[in-house]
Amino acid sequence: QQQVKQSPQSLIVQKGGISIINCAYENTAFDYFPWYQQFPGKGPALLIAIRPDVSEKKEGRFTISFNKSAKQFSLHIMDSQPGDSATYFCAAAHFNKFYFGSGTKLNVKP
Amino acid sequence: GAVVSQHPSRVICKSGTSVKIECRSLDFQATTMFWYRQFPKQSLMLMATSNEGSKATYEQGVEKDKFLINHASLTLSTLTVTSAHPEDSSFYICSATRLRGNEQFFGPGTRLTVL
Repeated sequence: QQQVKQSPQSLIVQKGGISIINCAYENTAFDYFPWYQQFPGKGPALLIAIRPDVSEKKEGRFTISFNKSAKQFSLHIMDSQPGDSATYFCAAAHFNKFYFGSGTKLNVKP
Repeated sequence: GAVVSQHPSRVICKSGTSVKIECRSLDFQATTMFWYRQFPKQSLMLMATSNEGSKATYEQGVEKDKFLINHASLTLSTLTVTSAHPEDSSFYICSATRLRGNEQFFGPGTRLTVL
């Protein structure tokens, strides 16, 4: 059973646009929700993370929105740039056990 | 801070040989290290979790005799793929967490190709 469901699988956005990636989870015990960015041939890099006691967290152009009642969280990339083109993974964690979404390949067109 | 390195970055070996991959936390002590496997265009699959000085905990379906994990110190974990076969070819990624933290910091990955 997939613990974290991520959508869309791929996303094409024009430069300057907003990229939105969504994730949903089932286990209410999860208490840490990070997003990772991965470039081809590289390991994932932590982008931004949130805990369930807040509904939104913003760091630069990246914002996580968290809906505890719906068990959903999303990543918004404002003013998307071609350099943002990568694969993004959401994750949900509890006690150091991480469950990753299936990934979203983002392509930002110049 | 929180840099994790992996060595080697790429390795090509013949079928039947063993390959060792090192994962190091360069600027922090890693109480827990994780090993993942990633197939092309797919998500990360957790293989095992290791704590310094104790045996690794393997995920269901992962052969512990094939994928030997050693976490000898707070900065080093190794994954040895024993008697490698072409189906073991994959991208192997380690990650580490700090004491009193649950952020995972990932290494750059190791591309293993078994001929």
